[in-house]
Amino acid sequence: QSALTQSASVAGSPGQSITISCTGSSNAAGGYKLDFDLVSWYQQHPGKAPKLMIYEVNKRPPGVSNRFSGSKSGNTASLTISGLRPDDEGHYYCSSFTSASTVLFGGGTELTVL
Amino acid sequence: DVQLVESGGGLVKPGGSLRLSCAASGFDLSDLSMGWVRQAPGKGLEWVSSISPTSSHKYYEDSLKGRFTVSRDNAKNSLYLQLNGLRGDDTGVYFCGRENGGGRPTDLWGQGTLVIVSS
Repeated sequence: QSALTQSASVAGSPGQSITISCTGSSNAAGGYKLDFDLVSWYQQHPGKAPKLMIYEVNKRPPGVSNRFSGSKSGNTASLTISGLRPDDEGHYYCSSFTSASTVLFGGGTELTVL
Repeated sequence: DVQLVESGGGLVKPGGSLRLSCAASGFDLSDLSMGWVRQAPGKGLEWVSSISPTSSHKYYEDSLKGRFTVSRDNAKNSLYLQLNGLRGDDTGVYFCGRENGGGRPTDLWGQGTLVIVSS
């Protein structure tokens, strides 16, 4: 079980907004602490490599739509997608940097666009 | 084009070894940390390892320490992952990635190479 917990699935209609959350336990496996200032979010379509959508909580890489935004509150990070589009459908993973200089991924959330 | 291309995956028996390679093109990886992430069939992403630009620091997922070894050859613009003592639960797609930024987010990914561990 990951120390970063994501809901298994979320759904929304085209044009709507959805939010995916990523909650960290106080200590990751092995006693490492999670750094929630260094959370990233990835989108993955079936059979494809992941794509970085958000890094350092709320920064977007070049080319990523401003429909994607990130935030955090305490030990919970969130990814919000506004103006849902059919091609937003896929899996979304959060990741956090740890005090051991390792990286931990959340279990992933499957987004369905109805 | 800026890209990463993995190779070296395949079918291997339990206890066997493989060496995965990741060739970078369109950019110089010598200034960046690089890493490996894997994904078992139908499962989520699992971070495997990272290596600093000069190879001075190497990091591994705890459960993989001692079996996997990451290395790089900046002169060849390449990254490697040596997999030893392979087990069935090591089966999956292995992605290499360019880490760029605080917390080492992976901003460029290869297409992945499939490792199947089976007798």
